[in-house]
Amino acid sequence: QKEVEQDPGPLSVPEGAIVSLNCTYSNSAFQYFMWYRQYSRKGPELLMYTYSSGNKEDGRFTAQVDKSSKYISLFIRDSQPSDSATYLCAMSASYGGSQGNLIFGKGTKLSVKP
Amino acid sequence: DGGITQSPKYLFRKEGQNVTLSCEQNLNHDAMYWYRQDPGQGLRLIYYSQIVNDFQKGDIAEGYSVSREKKESFPLTVTSAQKNPTAFYLCASSSGAVSHQETQYFGPGTRLLVL
Repeated sequence: QKEVEQDPGPLSVPEGAIVSLNCTYSNSAFQYFMWYRQYSRKGPELLMYTYSSGNKEDGRFTAQVDKSSKYISLFIRDSQPSDSATYLCAMSASYGGSQGNLIFGKGTKLSVKP
Repeated sequence: DGGITQSPKYLFRKEGQNVTLSCEQNLNHDAMYWYRQDPGQGLRLIYYSQIVNDFQKGDIAEGYSVSREKKESFPLTVTSAQKNPTAFYLCASSSGAVSHQETQYFGPGTRLLVL
């Protein structure tokens, strides 16, 4: 079993839809969870950062962590064509991913159609 | 503007040639990282450095070398020993602070192609 599993998609939705992106993981020591957005041929940019369990909201984006189920989610409300990108989940057991131990999912490719 | 720069954007390598990818950051970050991204493979860690003059191998270090002579710079050399170098290479940095807000920030990437 891989440490982090993420459905690669592609996921296609109409503009204005609510998007749900998910990752599952096997290492119960993970406590730092991140979502990165990567546009085609660009570097990933940090979108959301959550420590331990719970929800975090930032504008149209909500990140959820359920440590009991080893499951994290990213919700995008009122999706826009500009949200079309690959979304990578990442997680770490120690503080914030230093010491080279940030583990990435393979990314889900999202397309939002006008 | 503070950030991470990578150059060149595209790089072509001939058979048996060593090539060097540049990564510079002006974020005053202590830690720097190199990742390789292949289609369907996600990001894989090549090397990382937590402090000047020190670096550690990641999951796929074979065929690569790095140096960290300055805090701002972490160049990656793809040697002729790397038999499948075609990929998108990403450099990242983090402050290295003991903080729950610590995470990694990425550069724009270098696409390496083999002629």
